[in-house]
Amino acid sequence: GAVVSQHPSRVICKSGTSVKIECRSLDFQATTMFWYRQFPKQSLMLMATSNEGSKATYEQGVEKDKFLINHASLTLSTLTVTSAHPEDSSFYICSATGGEGQPQHFGDGTRLSIL
Amino acid sequence: DAKTTQPPSMDCAEGRAANLPCNHSTISGNEYVYWYRQIHSQGPQYIIHGLKNNETNEMASLIITEDRKSSTLILPHATLRDTAVYYCIVRVEYNFNKFYFGSGTKLNVKP
Repeated sequence: GAVVSQHPSRVICKSGTSVKIECRSLDFQATTMFWYRQFPKQSLMLMATSNEGSKATYEQGVEKDKFLINHASLTLSTLTVTSAHPEDSSFYICSATGGEGQPQHFGDGTRLSIL
Repeated sequence: DAKTTQPPSMDCAEGRAANLPCNHSTISGNEYVYWYRQIHSQGPQYIIHGLKNNETNEMASLIITEDRKSSTLILPHATLRDTAVYYCIVRVEYNFNKFYFGSGTKLNVKP
């Protein structure tokens, strides 16, 4: 089945650091990828839609200057958490879809801890 | 916002069928129903999806009512490894295939 790879799986860094997370579709082309955030004991919250070759679209309340998204190719999207602070600590998950009406396939997530 | 309602938790005995309900009374005509599950600290895993007809694959069966306002995911022989949070999602129509997750059902499979 379709595989989405997310890297790194865990990051621990100091406050003020910028952190980049990669999301790759390994065996299919994904014109659209999605980024989610999940706090402990809560559901996944959609942050933004990453579109290949164009700007990402952000959900209401998500700061686009804080969470930079780049979708440089049909198999790679990156999320950069800029100047991260402890409140940005969370589980970040990406997903990719092969097209309209198709399932989303999720990466295994990145656990970000800001000290 | 999520368009589905699920019970917060359910218990099931190992080896028995697990039947997980989902209410999606405001579903539109061409919106699909998707089911995913999330095992602790992992990304969600795709299980099954359907539009109108019942669907079956190697993991589960999906039963959609004729009026499409509710559905049931059936795990025919639950194992301890099926313990997870199960999410029922209605894909938002014409919105780039976005998924909005509700709170899901925590299925506890017990020996």
